[in-house]
Amino acid sequence: AQTVTQSQPEMSVQEAETVTLSCTYDTSESDYYLFWYKQPPSRQMILVIRQEAYKQQNATENRFSVNFQKAAKSFSLKISDSQLGDAAMYFCAYRSAPAAGNKLTFGGGTRVLVKP
Amino acid sequence: DGGITQSPKYLFRKEGQNVTLSCEQNLNHDAMYWYRQDPGQGLRLIYYSQIVNDFQKGDIAEGYSVSREKKESFPLTVTSAQKNPTAFYLCASSRSRTAIAKNIQYFGAGTRLSVL
Repeated sequence: AQTVTQSQPEMSVQEAETVTLSCTYDTSESDYYLFWYKQPPSRQMILVIRQEAYKQQNATENRFSVNFQKAAKSFSLKISDSQLGDAAMYFCAYRSAPAAGNKLTFGGGTRVLVKP
Repeated sequence: DGGITQSPKYLFRKEGQNVTLSCEQNLNHDAMYWYRQDPGQGLRLIYYSQIVNDFQKGDIAEGYSVSREKKESFPLTVTSAQKNPTAFYLCASSRSRTAIAKNIQYFGAGTRLSVL
């Protein structure tokens, strides 16, 4: 079974600065997908960014980018120009490509605090 | 508006009582999922359904039951056998059961269940 580990329970960042969240995963599969979800105080999960394992190019979505290191099984999220609205829990998630069912395995989350 | 509706937002269960959480989607998605989130932790999969009249157990199915009689609906029953039901429950759906890149899971706003 796959496992996802987020080693930082909480990260603090100054508004307009950059913060990087770490995520590592354990798998024996070669083809899979990785995601970062944001959970604001409203508790609704929002997809931030996704990465296909077969793609070497790191995904970017506006101020959000990832550093995907397949050999190291690492998938970090960088938030640039942090805004107050970025304050939330962030979850890294893994999904197997071959498996029917589209099941996600989540890490334990990292709380991001943004200081004005 | 298209989306996933979970109700109620808050639910209280008495000892020995079964309670049912509602999840409805109007996205025409084939697959639906139930997750449990405990305080400060990530999401864990309870049950999922890839198609009407079919569902599979997730990682923590004991004490829960589901049905999928309609494409739009995937109710979750927390039975009296679930000894620690206090948690936040999230429902999700995705377009199809296949694990392709665009097959993203979208989430509802959740139901918070507490034991009286």
